[in-house]
Amino acid sequence: KAGVTQTPRYLIKTRGQQVTLSCSPISGHRSVSWYQQTPGQGLQFLFEYFSETQRNKGNFPGRFSGRQFSNSRSEMNVSTLELGDSALYLCASSPSTGGDIYEQYFGPGTRLTVT
Amino acid sequence: AQSVTQPDIHITVSEGASLELRCNYSYGATPYLFWYVQSPGQGLQLLLKYFSGDTLVQGIKGFEAEFKRSQSSFNLRKPSVHWSDAAEYFCAVGARTGFQKLVFGTGTRLLVSP
Repeated sequence: KAGVTQTPRYLIKTRGQQVTLSCSPISGHRSVSWYQQTPGQGLQFLFEYFSETQRNKGNFPGRFSGRQFSNSRSEMNVSTLELGDSALYLCASSPSTGGDIYEQYFGPGTRLTVT
Repeated sequence: AQSVTQPDIHITVSEGASLELRCNYSYGATPYLFWYVQSPGQGLQLLLKYFSGDTLVQGIKGFEAEFKRSQSSFNLRKPSVHWSDAAEYFCAVGARTGFQKLVFGTGTRLLVSP
């Protein structure tokens, strides 16, 4: 099976702009999670979607949002970008059926730079 | 809430020597535990996982980890390190809530010397 894919791989944006990142999970996986990785804060959970519903959300401001489509593909959006949003954004999919935790498989990430 | 501590920021090991990376977790019940590896500029690759049962788990690339409930630890080991093992290693814990949220440690960067 193909792995988790993320597009674009690299992105440069200006403060105040908004950005949309895309993630395609492994075929058959219905759970998609997003994480932010920065040198200062490490890996932090953003949110998880399962069957088009947000199941869990991390401690991030409302500028960070996401959605999931019926084919399990997911997008995350960051509005009004700040310099501190520069990070590697990682998407992970899991074969979760909704009742228990499973291992997560990560994509290569999208490197976002805000100038 | 769960948390993970990886006390070693950097570790240098000679090629061919054994390796042990430390991980301590905090969680009120039996956790789900994972080790991931990240090469520069890449995503995370799952090395191994512990859900239940045998406390010694085998993973890919010759890695193993042992779950010790009494010490709240899940240390990663490899008997003989190869230069290609140089990377950053992350320990993670998940709660048994059905939600796919992982809490990660700060990572340990492994350097392999010739």
